[in-house]
Order: sequence, then structure tokens, then C-alpha cells
Amino acid sequence: DAGVIQSPRHEVTEMGQEVTLRCKPISGHDYLFWYRQTMMRGLELLIYFNNNVPIDDSGMPEDRFSAKMPNASFSTLKIQPSEPRDSAVYFCASSFTLGGGTEAFFGQGTRLTVV
Amino acid sequence: TQLLEQSPQFLSIQEGENLTVYCNSSSVFSSLQWYRQEPGEGPVLLVTVVTGGEVKKLKRLTFQFGDARKDSSLHITAAQPGDTGLYLCAGCNQIIQGAQKLVFGQGTRLTINP
Repeated sequence: DAGVIQSPRHEVTEMGQEVTLRCKPISGHDYLFWYRQTMMRGLELLIYFNNNVPIDDSGMPEDRFSAKMPNASFSTLKIQPSEPRDSAVYFCASSFTLGGGTEAFFGQGTRLTVV
Repeated sequence: TQLLEQSPQFLSIQEGENLTVYCNSSSVFSSLQWYRQEPGEGPVLLVTVVTGGEVKKLKRLTFQFGDARKDSSLHITAAQPGDTGLYLCAGCNQIIQGAQKLVFGQGTRLTINP
């Protein structure tokens, strides 16, 4: 398996524009997580899905952020409108529930810069 | 909100020295994981600990889960420059039936100087 695939790797956009980040999880995994990483706040959980259903979106900063998982092999995180403070590295991770815990496999991330 | 506090946030030591980093919480977790992240990459799992008091060894790395399953430590013996990276702990808890949640600490940025 190629692992978790995120696109694009880098995104530079102007304030006010819509940004869509994409993720293809590992086949067979039933959990998908979206995280945001900054130096100040570390790795923050934004939202996660179980079997394509959003379970907890309490980490989504505000209504400008939305996430969808239309099927088991694809998810998007959308920011509309984007703001400079949204600049961060956004990671997607997937996992398959194990008896002893949830092992998360991460993509390489999307580095978002909003100018 | 379940919070994981890692300490120290930054650590720079010489090659060959030993070190310990800590991960603490006021919450109980069903399991706890340690990840290592290198620049430009996503975190990669090192180990999962499940049982209170559990100790796991991975070459020169020793991981321990606290008896109360609220804290963990990572000890590195004879650190090498290749150990340099961001070390993250992550706690897992069952939120609702069939669904689990994974939350991360802010990480310890470790630098091993040759």
C-alpha cells in the first residue's frame, strides 16, 4: 500500500480564497483523522471519522472549516474563506481499530500558507 | 478536554548521554502511543503501551506506561544524532461505542549533538 496520500503538498493562497485539502486513506482503514500542526499549538485534532461518519468535530476552529468523507477512500478539508492565521501544516491520518488501541498512519501533510 | 503535557519541550544534549522525556495527563487513557516526527514528514509510530505499569523496549529506547494509565515516559540510552526529532505522545480513549479518539501532546523537540 502507498500509505496515506495527501494533496497538494504545498498550497499558497491569498486571504479570502477557498482552500481544499485532500486525503486518500489506507485501504481497509475505518478511521480518518484531520490534524493541524503549528509551532505554537502543536498537533491539534480537528475532526475524525469512523466508517465515513463524522464522530467528533469539536476541534474545528470555526465555521470556515468543513470536512467531508463521501466514501471510504477519500476525504476533504475545506477552508472558506481562508485567513493568514490558518497557515499551518495539515495532516491526514488513518487507522484500523486494533484491540489494544488505535495506530495512526500519517500522510506527509499539506503545508498551507495564506498571505 | 483531555490534555497531554509533555516535558521538556526542547532538549539538546551531547551524543552518548542518556535522557528521559515525560508525558503527563490528569485523564486516564486506554492506551498511549509514542510517535517520532522528522522535518517535512508526518509522525511515525514507535510504540503502543496498553497496560498500567507496562514497559516496552525498542533497542536503546525504553517506554513506560504509568500504573494509573495517566502518564508515560520515554528513556533513551546513549543518544545518537539519528535520534534527533520531534517526539510526540498520544493518548487513546474510547469515546462512544466502537469509536476511539487519539489526542497528541505538544511534543519534545530533541537534538543530539555529535
